[in-house]
Amino acid sequence: NAGVTQTPKFQVLKTGQSMTLQCAQDMNHEYMSWYRQDPGMGLRLIHYSVGAGITDQGEVPNGYNVSRSTTEDFPLRLLSAAPSQTSVYFCASSRANEKLFFGSGTQLSVL
Amino acid sequence: GNSVTQMEGPVTLSEEAFLTINCTYTATGYPSLFWYVQYPGEGLQLLLKATKADDKGSNKGFEATYRKETTSFHLEKGSVQVSDSAVYFCALSRSGGGADGLTFGKGTHLIIQP
Repeated sequence: NAGVTQTPKFQVLKTGQSMTLQCAQDMNHEYMSWYRQDPGMGLRLIHYSVGAGITDQGEVPNGYNVSRSTTEDFPLRLLSAAPSQTSVYFCASSRANEKLFFGSGTQLSVL
Repeated sequence: GNSVTQMEGPVTLSEEAFLTINCTYTATGYPSLFWYVQYPGEGLQLLLKATKADDKGSNKGFEATYRKETTSFHLEKGSVQVSDSAVYFCALSRSGGGADGLTFGKGTHLIIQP
């Protein structure tokens, strides 16, 4: 019962470094999305995908890239990390018109 | 644009007390409304949802009614338990399930004392 798996759970970066947050789901869901959670801000949508090869921007896409080459995977790339990207990142997946399943999160600190 | 406003926390209650967490929204059209719960160190889980006006969502003793006239979706539970301690998020979406993105409130931290 893997569900939505995010790696790593914790990461510390220096300003300007790049990295990829991994997200994989084994439920054959066509929809996947990335959110960031900041204190006092709730969750905000970064990018989402409605299927392999299709992605779109959410509320706060700047500084992040995504791609969806397979149904299972939806990685989030930070090309040049900034302290403002310190946050907890959640990946989610679902079928159309069904509930979202969330991963357990990646806590990222950018120094 | 869409927005969700929910009461600030933390909310501290004694076990068996009555719970209300207020949630109001601003949206165009007819959004679906949700309550998600986040336990410490975990991702969010759907608690309940309602997809049209006057619908009542319910789960695990929690209830919320979609009130279009007051643009509200308040969460209630008649008798809370220590295990209900968590952060609760109100959210809305354009689609039935929110697969193309949810708009969340800031979250309400609920603490239940024995």
